[in-house]
Amino acid sequence: DTGVSQDPRHKITKRGQNVTFRCDPISEHNRLYWYRQTLGQGPEFLTYFQNEAQLEKSRLLSDRFSAERPKGSFSTLEIQRTEQGDSAMYLCASSWGPGGYTFGSGTRLTVV
Amino acid sequence: GNSVTQMEGPVTLSEEAFLTINCTYTATGYPSLFWYVQYPGEGLQLLLKATKADDKGSNKGFEATYRKETTSFHLEKGSVQVSDSAVYFCALSDGASNFGNEKLTFGTGTRLTIIP
Repeated sequence: DTGVSQDPRHKITKRGQNVTFRCDPISEHNRLYWYRQTLGQGPEFLTYFQNEAQLEKSRLLSDRFSAERPKGSFSTLEIQRTEQGDSAMYLCASSWGPGGYTFGSGTRLTVV
Repeated sequence: GNSVTQMEGPVTLSEEAFLTINCTYTATGYPSLFWYVQYPGEGLQLLLKATKADDKGSNKGFEATYRKETTSFHLEKGSVQVSDSAVYFCALSDGASNFGNEKLTFGTGTRLTIIP
């Protein structure tokens, strides 16, 4: 069990550029979540995968955001045409069932 | 919809003081309740949980009791240490979402600083 890994840890991008983040969950976990955390706030749910199927998306996830989990292993979150309001910490978490997740350390995105 | 209201911070205490961080919730059905902790520079870690009314979650000297009648899940510790300095988040999962989605609704977090 190496934990949930997220890459990169930090990303600075210019407004209008596309960015992609990667999450490697704990290998035996079939459930994967993405959350967004802005300064001074708690994390907010973005999307949920069970294996490779994306089963729920928050209304926070505009059409500029897309997430994938090919083969039910790692996941990617892409943001197209970034805006300053996208600046946040993007957290990935995984679990095998109910009772609490394991979170990654997050990717901090700064849009300048 | 679901919501979590958490005691606003920051909270500053002296070492060995008693800690209470208040948390109340609004949810349909019977949610599970959690406390997560975020140490500086690290990810969120599950501190404790309770899945039904009157359950008490405990870990590392911290405790919280699921009170359905007051819709509360207050975090307590009898004697805090400098190493407890962190941000604490109360959260709930209603567990009734589609396809096993145990998505969490978080409070805004409480920053705790313990001074020697």
